[in-house]
Amino acid sequence: GAVVSQHPSWVICKSGTSVKIECRSLDFQATTMFWYRQFPKQSLMLMATSNEGSKATYEQGVEKDKFLINHASLTLSTLTVTSAHPEDSSFYICSASRGGRSNQPQHFGDGTRLSIL
Amino acid sequence: QQQVKQSPQSLIVQKGGIPIINCAYENTAFDYFPWYQQFPGKGPALLIAIRPDVSEKKEGRFTISFNKSAKQFSLHIMDSQPGDSATYFCAARISQGAQKLVFGQGTRLTINP
Repeated sequence: GAVVSQHPSWVICKSGTSVKIECRSLDFQATTMFWYRQFPKQSLMLMATSNEGSKATYEQGVEKDKFLINHASLTLSTLTVTSAHPEDSSFYICSASRGGRSNQPQHFGDGTRLSIL
Repeated sequence: QQQVKQSPQSLIVQKGGIPIINCAYENTAFDYFPWYQQFPGKGPALLIAIRPDVSEKKEGRFTISFNKSAKQFSLHIMDSQPGDSATYFCAARISQGAQKLVFGQGTRLTINP
């Protein structure tokens, strides 16, 4: 159990366009979802934490108007990179955590590779 | 104080050897310490996790050793195989509140046949 699906797995688009990435928990309800960014050969950097039905909490230095996060249901969160530019090219990974009790592990999706031309 | 320091950055071991990856933390409020394995182009997968009330946890060929007084923990991989070649991340979390993970810098492990 605890499968997290991300879509798309890879996207290439032109500078200035907006890109939406979906993160779904397939077999459990995820009260909390997290969005990370990972540059090549580097660690995961937390961008924001989203709780179902409420506004996302962004980490320091992450532009909330640039990276729009929506967590409208217990199984779906979306990250929209608005007016994307080449410097936004990266590997974006989501994770999801079950609700209810505390101490739930985070389960990660397989990431979305975003390339902005 | 929120950092988790991981070493070494890269590690090469012969098949059957026991690679050891070390992590250290400062924040004593951390109370959950998972290890993740990541293959190229994939998301991290949870390998094993430990809480500070135990000094060792073993799951299959993976063992975590935890030293609460030294604020250090390590991952040992027994009978390592070429298929274990991946990047390994340690992490730490405070179980109350947002439960955000703080990741180490990662260790790129290569197991030679």
